[in-house]
Formats: sequence, C-alpha cells, structure tokens
Amino acid sequence: RKEVEQDPGPFNVPEGATVAFNCTYSNSASQSFFWYRQDCRKEPKLLMSVYSSGNEDGRFTAQLNRASQYISLLIRDSKLSDSATYLCVVNIEGSARQLTFGSGTQLTVLP
Amino acid sequence: EAGVTQFPSHSVIEKGQTVTLRCDPISGHDNLYWYRRVMGKEIKFLLHFVKESKQDESGMPNNRFLAERTGGTYSTLKVQPAELEDSGVYFCASSPRQGSHTGELFFGEGSRLTVL
Repeated sequence: RKEVEQDPGPFNVPEGATVAFNCTYSNSASQSFFWYRQDCRKEPKLLMSVYSSGNEDGRFTAQLNRASQYISLLIRDSKLSDSATYLCVVNIEGSARQLTFGSGTQLTVLP
Repeated sequence: EAGVTQFPSHSVIEKGQTVTLRCDPISGHDNLYWYRRVMGKEIKFLLHFVKESKQDESGMPNNRFLAERTGGTYSTLKVQPAELEDSGVYFCASSPRQGSHTGELFFGEGSRLTVL
C-alpha cells in the first residue's frame, strides 16, 4: 500500500466548476500536510499547508481529518490557470527531512 | 532572487555510462534535498543535506548513486554506472534553516535523465 494515495484523475471540469480532490495517508504518526501544485514539465510548488482546523486561501480550501487520515482540497470557481497536477504531501518524520508525495491528481479546466 | 537551478535540464546516456547532475540551491539555504520521479510513479525522497553534511540518505537506491555538497553550496548527484531503471526526473529542492518545519521546499525544474 502506498504511504500517500490520491485519485490520479484526470479531472476535466468546465470553468467555474467546483472540484474536490481527496488524499489518504497510511502513517498515523504523520505530522504535517500540504498540497503542492505542479504544472506540466515544471517543478512542484507549495500551494498551501493543511491544518486540522481547515484553512482557506481565496478559492482554495484544505481540510484534514486525522482520525480518518484523510486530506482534501476544494477549488471553487475553477479557472483555466488552475489546470495542473495537484500533489498531496505528508511529512512523516515531523521535520522537513523527508516529505512523502502522492502521485498527484491531474486537473484540466476547460473553457 | 534566483531560484533553485539544476543542470543539465535533460541528459540522454547509454546504460553503463556515468552522469553527474548539479543543483544550485537558493543562496543561503542550508537544507538541500534530492528527489526523483520515475515514469508513472510518485516523487520520492533520495537524500537531505544540511550545509555540507548528509542528514538523511535513506532514500538513495543503491551504491551507484553518490551525492556530494562540498562547501555547503551547490550539490552534485552522480550515477555510475547508469542503468535503465535510473531514467526519470531528478528534482533538487532547498529550504532555509528556519523554514525547515514549514514544509515549503523550493524546487528546481528538474534534470530529466534518459538511460538507453
């Protein structure tokens, strides 16, 4: 079983749609959680951290459920520029020594 | 400010040859990481330097891989001899010491390695 599991997609949605990505992690000792974004043939970039209380950044909302070991990312009012691969990332060791990546969920926002 | 830079962007070599990948982290970043993504798989950790010291090299696949960070600035990752399964994209990332626990790593665009 993978340490971080994501639905690979692809998700093809029209502009303006709301889309949700899910992620589960296997190690209950995981301490930090993140969503990274990766454009085609580019480097991963931090989108947002994920906190137990849930956090929002504009059109993006991230949620963490430690009991279920489940992380989500909600994108509202999708834009064409949101098209990318979204990577669920977990810090297993509690430090930045070793981030564990999911394989990513591909999103295409269609005009 | 310059980001993390990696060289070469793409390398094509034959099985058995040697390749050296280079990473220049963001100036002043103590932490430097190497990750790898092979085709169809997730990005996986290789190793972590703090300045010139190897902090964690538990992700290095075997002794054909050698990473160095002399002087605590740039780093090299040498693969010798290369095998077909080494093909993939090798990412370097850096983070400042005080940011080590935020989870934000700054990645380079990667070095794509193709072994024929």
